[in-house]
Amino acid sequence: DVKVTQSSRYLVKRTGEKVFLECVQDMDHENMFWYRQDPGLGLRLIYFSYDVKMKEKGDIPEGYSVSREKKERFSLILESASTNQTSMYLCASSFLGQGTEAFFGQGTRLTVV
Amino acid sequence: AQSVSQHNHHVILSEAASLELGCNYSYGGTVNLFWYVQYPGQHLQLLLKYFSGDPLVKGIKGFEAEFIKSKFSFNLRKPSVQWSDTAEYFCAVSIYNQGGKLIFGQGTELSVKP
Repeated sequence: DVKVTQSSRYLVKRTGEKVFLECVQDMDHENMFWYRQDPGLGLRLIYFSYDVKMKEKGDIPEGYSVSREKKERFSLILESASTNQTSMYLCASSFLGQGTEAFFGQGTRLTVV
Repeated sequence: AQSVSQHNHHVILSEAASLELGCNYSYGGTVNLFWYVQYPGQHLQLLLKYFSGDPLVKGIKGFEAEFIKSKFSFNLRKPSVQWSDTAEYFCAVSIYNQGGKLIFGQGTELSVKP
């Protein structure tokens, strides 16, 4: 079974803190993604990576950065957390190529107070 | 920018009713299309996908979807829904030659009444 594991299910952070969300996959997938999920807005792509140290901005990268030092691990960084970043964050991974299925983690519910 | 639009935000049906959820995308080139489902408290999982060939695609749990290229649509259907189909459904598009980058629609929440 493919496993995409996010380090935390729930996080509460203070405004201005630097926040790290970690994601690990065990299927040797080239692609990894970070989305945020908000009611009525669906899943919006923050960043994705198709190889180690490679990254591309998604639709809403402002306020976020990412790191991919190893193939299996993709980290999302909130440089200075703000209340409008309170959301559900989803990590996903897939093989590089056409028509490949993405596998999702269980999500991290982040609350910024 | 490419986008995916799902027409219905919340659909309420009685058991045994038929279901059709709309999905349109805005990109003129080659695409791969997906429907994902998120059951309450669970992670997203693939329901079905279109890669090439027959535009009528069958997925798990009796779902199917039809790709109509001329209409940029990929609507999801099920002839008879069950209470256990209550979930949120997401349409997604992967653009050819963008490495599998997935763009999602806003989601449709389906509530099935027993």
